[in-house]
Amino acid sequence: SQQGEEDPQALSIQEGENATMNCSYKTSINNLQWYRQNSGRGLVHLILIRSNEREKHSGRLRVTLDTSKKSSSLLITASRAADTASYFCATAGKAAGNKLTFGGGTRVLVKP
Amino acid sequence: KAGVTQTPRYLIKTRGQQVTLSCSPISGHRSVSWYQQTPGQGLQFLFEYFSETQRNKGNFPGRFSGRQFSNSRSEMNVSTLELGDSALYLCASSTGLAGGHNEQFFGPGTRLTVL
Repeated sequence: SQQGEEDPQALSIQEGENATMNCSYKTSINNLQWYRQNSGRGLVHLILIRSNEREKHSGRLRVTLDTSKKSSSLLITASRAADTASYFCATAGKAAGNKLTFGGGTRVLVKP
Repeated sequence: KAGVTQTPRYLIKTRGQQVTLSCSPISGHRSVSWYQQTPGQGLQFLFEYFSETQRNKGNFPGRFSGRQFSNSRSEMNVSTLELGDSALYLCASSTGLAGGHNEQFFGPGTRLTVL
């Protein structure tokens, strides 16, 4: 079973709207990372948040982490058609065997 | 710096054959991890190599193996191919171990189709 589970599985929004997706995980972690994948290509790293951090920003991206609830959220503000992709959370930590474990992903469609 | 490269990009094999995939990490990166991505199972970790040593292994049968060379390039091999091995195989490199605070840089993947 996967460490991270993402919600929703799919999201469709209009350009300019915000997109929010959530990730829940099961074991304690060192950090949580978000990646983007365009159409069956390689993944691109977006942001890494450590277990002692609560919020992190990068451009139009905002990530929060709540270790007490074992959950994280990724917010994309003012979305663009180019943001259309699948977004994956991945967790790393000793409890999960010191490997990067990915969730099932959220497919985001931004309509122009 | 050049990114992570994977060869070949596409591969078609038949059941029972074996296949070798190659990954060249970003210069200076010593960790190489391999993942299998399928529509049904998602992204699953295969193994990680660091300084020519396998540091971690996922839950895959022994038909899946890998190695890393002194220049950090890595290969993975799948023997006795099965239809279920059809997948996108992704390689990622990083400066340190994947379990640490290290961003993973992914290659474009090798799309393997088993007929």
